[in-house]
Amino acid sequence: GENVEQHPSTLSVQEGDSAVIKCTYSDSASNYFPWYKQELGKGPQLIIDIRSNVGEKKDQRIAVTLNKTAKHFSLHITETQPEDSAVYFCAASRRGGSNYKLTFGKGTLLTVNP
Amino acid sequence: DGGITQSPKYLFRKEGQNVTLSCEQNLNHDAMYWYRQDPGQGLRLIYYSQIVNDFQKGDIAEGYSVSREKKESFPLTVTSAQKNPTAFYLCASSMAGGSNNEQFFGPGTRLTVL
Repeated sequence: GENVEQHPSTLSVQEGDSAVIKCTYSDSASNYFPWYKQELGKGPQLIIDIRSNVGEKKDQRIAVTLNKTAKHFSLHITETQPEDSAVYFCAASRRGGSNYKLTFGKGTLLTVNP
Repeated sequence: DGGITQSPKYLFRKEGQNVTLSCEQNLNHDAMYWYRQDPGQGLRLIYYSQIVNDFQKGDIAEGYSVSREKKESFPLTVTSAQKNPTAFYLCASSMAGGSNNEQFFGPGTRLTVL
């Protein structure tokens, strides 16, 4: 089955700096890679996703890059703000057919210091 | 408002008792999921259902049971056979088929077994 590794487990940055979280996956057939943000005591929310036919995707201060050859993908947050502080999860799955399962990384606790 | 509701937010039970966690969605999604979240462990899939009256075991199904009698409801029972039931439980749903399998999460139920 799929295995997703996520690093680092904790990340502390100063407000305005950039933050990068990296994930690797094992199943070369995986083709969908979402990133979720989870605030304390709440359920995760999708913030950005990327499909395997795309190498990079941006949405304002958030970007995700994908390297299919190396089987890794990364989340980049620029100009970080205190409200970006949360736990971030990467995930991977094979989209299509009857398979809807997501395999999650263990999460990264991001702290943005004012 | 469309969304996923989980109740209650906090649940306490004595060891040896079965307990059922509620999950309801009004997004008209076919697929529903249950995850368990422990500190530093990320999200682990317990059970998932792609259609009414059908469900499959996830990665950590032992000690849990589910039912899917209605499209909008996917209750999870934590049985006395689950050796370490104290955790944060998250329910999610997604569209079945098509090109988008984004999972939407509920707010979670924190179960504490005393």
